Amino acid sequence: GAGVSQSPSNKVTEKGKDVELRCDPISGHTALYWYRQSLGQGLEFLIYFQGNSAPDKSGLPSDRFSAERTGGSVSTLTIQRTQQEDSAVYLCASSSVRSGTQYFGPGTRLLVL
Amino acid sequence: ELKVEQNPLFLSMQEGKNYTIYCNYSTTSDRLYWYRQDPGKSLESLFVLLSNGAVKQEGRLMASLDTKARLSTLHITAAVHDLSATYFCAVDIGGGADGLTFGKGTHLIIQP
Repeated sequence: GAGVSQSPSNKVTEKGKDVELRCDPISGHTALYWYRQSLGQGLEFLIYFQGNSAPDKSGLPSDRFSAERTGGSVSTLTIQRTQQEDSAVYLCASSSVRSGTQYFGPGTRLLVL
Repeated sequence: ELKVEQNPLFLSMQEGKNYTIYCNYSTTSDRLYWYRQDPGKSLESLFVLLSNGAVKQEGRLMASLDTKARLSTLHITAAVHDLSATYFCAVDIGGGADGLTFGKGTHLIIQP
């Protein structure tokens, strides 16, 4: 079956602009995760959704970051007023149960100029 | 704060040789994962280890878990060039709700 999909695959934006990243999890997976991968910080966990609910948003790097999930499926990660340090690969993963194996999407490569 | 340490971070080896990657973590874990990442690609799940003494094997890769020592190993037997990749271990301590905490990765190059 189809895996986790993410769009766009690449995004170049100017500092100060807002960006929206999308994640489509594996069908039927109730748990959804966002991570960020950068050379300096490695792989960082950002936020977790169980259904449409995100119990803990403390992993988001700043208040410029927000995420939502609707219909228990698609999720969007929004970064407002982007900064150069936001440049990274943003990875989405989903799993069928909260503590099950996480399957990762191909990522969105974000470059903030 | 959970810390996950892998070593080595970089490994260059010849085809046909054996080697082990180590993953130490600092607190009790629900489960431990190994992932593979090829350049420019996403993460591919290799193994999930659920209990002390767990051992899993797939082809030339074998992973094991010692929860008392808070140590997992990924052993490569008779390495082949196709196994060149970056390997990450990741630990789950919150039943998924805290996400995975990853090591920095081991960049493995296997020379023909």
